[in-house]
Amino acid sequence: AQSVAQPEDQVNVAEGNPLTVKCTYSVSGNPYLFWYVQYPNRGLQFLLKYITGDNLVKGSYGFEAEFNKSQTSFHLKKPSALVSDSALYFCAVRDAAGGATNKLIFGTGTLLAVQP
Amino acid sequence: ETGVTQSPTHLIKTRGQQVTLRCSSQSGHNTVSWYQQALGQGPQFIFQYYREEENGRGNFPPRFSGLQFPNYSSELNVNALELDDSALYLCASSSPKGGTYEQYFGPGTRLTVT
Repeated sequence: AQSVAQPEDQVNVAEGNPLTVKCTYSVSGNPYLFWYVQYPNRGLQFLLKYITGDNLVKGSYGFEAEFNKSQTSFHLKKPSALVSDSALYFCAVRDAAGGATNKLIFGTGTLLAVQP
Repeated sequence: ETGVTQSPTHLIKTRGQQVTLRCSSQSGHNTVSWYQQALGQGPQFIFQYYREEENGRGNFPPRFSGLQFPNYSSELNVNALELDDSALYLCASSSPKGGTYEQYFGPGTRLTVT
């Protein structure tokens, strides 16, 4: 079965420091991977995706993610954190067993707290 | 380009009642998915509609049903509400044409069942 794991409930980082939010996945076949961000009382905003191609994917708001097939990981990164980056981050994988269904399987989320 | 919109924003219902939530998809998107996000959890897939037909369903009972209209907007109906149905309900639209697959989410409807 397809699954996504986010091992950290919360990540704390000082403003200006680099940040990493971890994600590992388990899928059959080629993974389609996504990162979303959720601000309080809001829906999810798409940040970036990996479908194929370069292992380093660049997305919105200066975020990037590195796809590592051997470690089955897709960690979210940013070189310099901002206080405004504080939010809940979700990693997701498209359910490859779903056929034509574009179903996303989400992790449990990681709360990013950036201290000024 | 118009984003995904949902209504209402908040809703309070009593156990046993029925509720209808509405979603307008992003311009040009023909596929709508619904997710349930319980407090402190990641979103869980309820079902997906494409060309007015359900073409995928998650592990939710039949009292969760939906519709998609010719303009690609959608409704989520929940009958016989239970306390555990209290959650944020998210609608997402996508256009798998071209193999992009990312989904764009609305702001959600917060349902509270008392």
